[in-house]
Amino acid sequence: EVQLLESGGGLVKPGGSLRLSCAASGFTFSTYSMNWVRQAPGKGLEWVSSITSSSRDIQYGHSVKGRFTISRDNARNLLFLQMNSLRAEDTALYYCARVMGKGTYFDLWGQGTMVAVSS
Amino acid sequence: QTVVTQEPSVSVSPGGTVTLTCDLRSGSVSTTYYPSWYQQTPGQAPRTLIYSTNIRSSGVPDRFSGSMLGDKAALTIAGAQADDESNYYCVLYMGSGIWVFGGGTKLTVL
Repeated sequence: EVQLLESGGGLVKPGGSLRLSCAASGFTFSTYSMNWVRQAPGKGLEWVSSITSSSRDIQYGHSVKGRFTISRDNARNLLFLQMNSLRAEDTALYYCARVMGKGTYFDLWGQGTMVAVSS
Repeated sequence: QTVVTQEPSVSVSPGGTVTLTCDLRSGSVSTTYYPSWYQQTPGQAPRTLIYSTNIRSSGVPDRFSGSMLGDKAALTIAGAQADDESNYYCVLYMGSGIWVFGGGTKLTVL
């Protein structure tokens, strides 16, 4: 079955760190660009970060640039998001999403992992 | 910072037709932004409906259609059904691996 499964979420104090993982299965992970998208409680979706299939090109949204790092391990079919200097406003459900269509849209989503930043 | 705007809420009668739009606060939306649309019901992951302006994703009923309306992208739902009641998000691809989500439209079917 083609799927994405996120893990690694939890409760962390402001200023703390957390590493999210996304396990891909059922498709050739190494050939797809991947993204992280988040959703704060009761709010809309927000694009967080993208990484190309070879990790050559990486982008971040304004709100996380300099604090978050995206990476991937194609040998293990894993996508990561290292989150440092966490703030209360980073509290959200974090989805990983596969990119399709010449890299222009998201065609496969995980179920998300929740990150709560609170003292 | 690029801001994509959508109607915060829209309502439609069962069986009716409704159009949701996607705009840029400063500028015009064009097909070069490859507008895509996603449906999300509470507690669920987003579902891809439309990509590249007007291409339906696999398994999406043909009563969902995408188009350009002037300088906006649009999602039209024809013959609205109760289970179409969801949040709908427009996403624009800015190039170079950067996307911008609209704020979403909450669709009520009543």
